[in-house]
Amino acid sequence: GAVVSQHPSWVICKSGTSVKIECRSLDFQATTMFWYRQFPKQSLMLMATSNEGSKATYEQGVEKDKFLINHASLTLSTLTVTSAHPEDSSFYICSALGAGGNDRYGYTFGSGTRLTVV
Amino acid sequence: GQQLNQSPQSMFIQEGEDVSMNCTSSSIFNTWLWYKQDPGEGPVLLIALYKAGELTSNGRLTAQFGITRKDSFLNISASIPSDVGIYFCAATYNTDKLIFGTGTRLQVFP
Repeated sequence: GAVVSQHPSWVICKSGTSVKIECRSLDFQATTMFWYRQFPKQSLMLMATSNEGSKATYEQGVEKDKFLINHASLTLSTLTVTSAHPEDSSFYICSALGAGGNDRYGYTFGSGTRLTVV
Repeated sequence: GQQLNQSPQSMFIQEGEDVSMNCTSSSIFNTWLWYKQDPGEGPVLLIALYKAGELTSNGRLTAQFGITRKDSFLNISASIPSDVGIYFCAATYNTDKLIFGTGTRLQVFP
């Protein structure tokens, strides 16, 4: 079945620094990748949608200069949280859409990254 | 914007009991998906529904796509301890973007 590897699984960083999260589709080509943020005991909120080779589309209220998304290849998308602050602490999850998934709709989620900014 | 209201918010049941949860919206969707999320993990797909009225099973799980296309329900029969987790509905309409429901937290006691 389709597998999406997300790395790191957790990270602690100092306020003001930047953190990069990677999302790789291991056995299929992901034409589209999605980045979600999930606060404790809340639902997944879509942050942005990225298509390979083009600029990401951000949801309303998400700062594109703060959350940099790169989707340079069909198997890799990265999310960089720039100048992180404690309020950016959250669980970030990627999802890849492409051929090769077991389910007809083809969404495969990564295992998430727990970001803690101190 | 579009919202998916999921109920109940949480459930505390005894092992062996059946569980029912639902998801409603004021908007129409053409695909409904049900996911389970364990702590510290990404969501895992349980059941996908593509047609209004469709009833689909996956082992002890059964889900239905509401005839109005504005709702869906998920039933779990004979619950077991490993059913513990958060269940999310998700839906989409002619777009790749998934909207997630508010979640139902399930706790199963032996």
